[in-house]
Amino acid sequence: EVQILESGGGLRQPGGSLRLSCAASGFMFSNYYMSWVRQAPGKGLEWVSIVIGSGTGVGNAYYADSVKGRFTISRDNSKKMVYLQMDSLSADDTAIYFCARTHYDFSSGYYVDQWGQGTLVTVTP
Amino acid sequence: DIQMTQSPSLVSASVGDRVTITCRASQAISSWVAWYQKKPGKAPKLLIYAASSLQSGVPSRFSGSGSGTDFTLTISTLHPEDFATYYCQQSNSFPLTFGGGTEVEIK
Repeated sequence: EVQILESGGGLRQPGGSLRLSCAASGFMFSNYYMSWVRQAPGKGLEWVSIVIGSGTGVGNAYYADSVKGRFTISRDNSKKMVYLQMDSLSADDTAIYFCARTHYDFSSGYYVDQWGQGTLVTVTP
Repeated sequence: DIQMTQSPSLVSASVGDRVTITCRASQAISSWVAWYQKKPGKAPKLLIYAASSLQSGVPSRFSGSGSGTDFTLTISTLHPEDFATYYCQQSNSFPLTFGGGTEVEIK
């Protein structure tokens, strides 16, 4: 059974930092891209970042413009873990953060087929 | 970046109704669209990928169509458990982007 479990959410002041962790199990972790997707209170889904799982691009990462330069995604295939280092936090980063297994193939592109339950990040003075 | 414009933002419907949600991409993206269902307090759920492929385990009353810039999610006969918010997502290129969402509410 596929399981994805986020941790590390919490309360931070603007300008602070937070590191989210995501533990995966039940599938060949290195075969998959892994993403972070967030949902701010009362808002829609927003893709945050993705990291490549294997091959020549392993560890390569891509980011939404809203977090580029402030957030860093990484993964440890040996531990089946994904991380999101969040720096220079602002109130706009307040959201539930979902860790998401991301499928890729040439005919379908990149889509999320398995989601964690999410972890809440609140940024407030 | 590819923008995804979803409409309508709200649908009021009754059990048994047929519901259609549309999504327009700001540039042609072939069939690289996915659709998700989101309920409050729950993780999103993948319904459709590659514009029209039904994810395993998803009821056949859900269907997707379209290519290029215009895409559609259809619920053929609305069930009580289908009241939720639905999102399209372009799966073509980074940054991945979602539509603004369509809430399907009980009429």
